[in-house]
Amino acid sequence: EVQLVESGGGLVQPGGSLRLSCAASGFILSNYWMHWVRQAPGKGLVWVSRMNKDGSRTDHADSVKGRFTISRDNAKNTLYLQLNSLRAEDAALYYCVRDFVGAEDYWGQGILVTVSS
Amino acid sequence: QSVLTQPPSASGTPGQRVTISCSGSSSNIGVDNVYWYQQLPGTAPKLLIYNNYRRPSGVPDRFSGSKSGTSASLDISGLQSEDEADYYCTAWDGRLKGYVFGTGTTVTVL
Repeated sequence: EVQLVESGGGLVQPGGSLRLSCAASGFILSNYWMHWVRQAPGKGLVWVSRMNKDGSRTDHADSVKGRFTISRDNAKNTLYLQLNSLRAEDAALYYCVRDFVGAEDYWGQGILVTVSS
Repeated sequence: QSVLTQPPSASGTPGQRVTISCSGSSSNIGVDNVYWYQQLPGTAPKLLIYNNYRRPSGVPDRFSGSKSGTSASLDISGLQSEDEADYYCTAWDGRLKGYVFGTGTTVTVL
């Protein structure tokens, strides 16, 4: 069974950092591009970042460029998102997504990040 | 701020047809594929349409997508109560070098 399980979220002060993890099971992570998408409470979806299969290429939304970094460890079947210099507007449910918009699109249940002093 | 524009709401009675529009520009919908997601309350989004009109395995053929110029549409025919959800369009934006989402449309079954 395919599973994506996010972890590492929580409450952090403005300017702080967090590292989100996404543990993949039931499929071979190295076969897929992986993405992060976020959704603030009661708001719409926002694409955040993506990484290609072998980790050699990344793209980030302008709103997080220079602050967030996507990475992966295919040997550990895990995707990461490093969140630095966090702002109130970064508070959201962060989803890990396999093959975003592809025929094998699959989403985790999300992990909540709260930014508050 | 969302780059793609959708109506905030749409509604219909069971069995009716509902159409949701998605308006973009020459840097996104005008040059790339459009995708549609359904998000039921409290759940992760589910891909309904990819590459403008294709349906992933398991998506009912009541859902159909189309694209013309810088706009796209999602049609739900034979509306059912379980179709009550938020619907989002998305596309790659070549100018922003990232995916952009629509503002989202809440569908209500009356």
